Amino acid sequence: GDSVTQMEGPVTLSEEAFLTINCTYTATGYPSLFWYVQYPGEGLQLLLKATKADDKGSNKGFEATYRKETTSFHLEKGSVQVSDSAVYFCALSTSGSRLTFGEGTQLTVNP
Amino acid sequence: EADIYQTPRYLVIGTGKKITLECSQTMGHDKMYWYQQDPGMELHLIHYSYGVNSTEKGDLSSESTVSRIRTEHFPLTLESARPSHTSQYLCASSLSDSTDTQYFGPGTRLTVL
Repeated sequence: GDSVTQMEGPVTLSEEAFLTINCTYTATGYPSLFWYVQYPGEGLQLLLKATKADDKGSNKGFEATYRKETTSFHLEKGSVQVSDSAVYFCALSTSGSRLTFGEGTQLTVNP
Repeated sequence: EADIYQTPRYLVIGTGKKITLECSQTMGHDKMYWYQQDPGMELHLIHYSYGVNSTEKGDLSSESTVSRIRTEHFPLTLESARPSHTSQYLCASSLSDSTDTQYFGPGTRLTVL
């Protein structure tokens, strides 16, 4: 079945540091790939997505590229801020719009 | 901005009570979902619906039930709450295509004493 594996957290960085959160997937067919973010006390919201190989999703300084050859969708940001502290979920969707989520990675950014 | 609402946001109840968690969306989405989120953050799909009068069980077995009588409304009911039901419950909705974003409500944090 479909699965998503994220790098283990928690991740703690200083402000303005470079962020990478690794995500790899296993899926039949050609999935769409997503990164969702959950701020404390809130539901999830879409951060970015890519629907086909080599697409790059980007939003709020975050980027991720759909790499079919390595089945990866790593999240990156060049300079994190305290306000980026949250839980980040990688997810995929194949048929039927059901999402398969990774375990989530807690990010804490210190001033 | 997504228009999906959940009530209550927080609920503390005693064992054996019947509860209904409400979820409504005003986006006209056909597909709706309920997730249970562990304290360790992991999300588990417990129910989903592809339209009115359509409901399916998700990946994680749950003692809860759902109904979908109207497109915009997808309530979740627990007939007899137990401490093991203590969790965060997230509702979401999406359009029909697998490339579409799921929009999430703010969640209901349920504590059963």
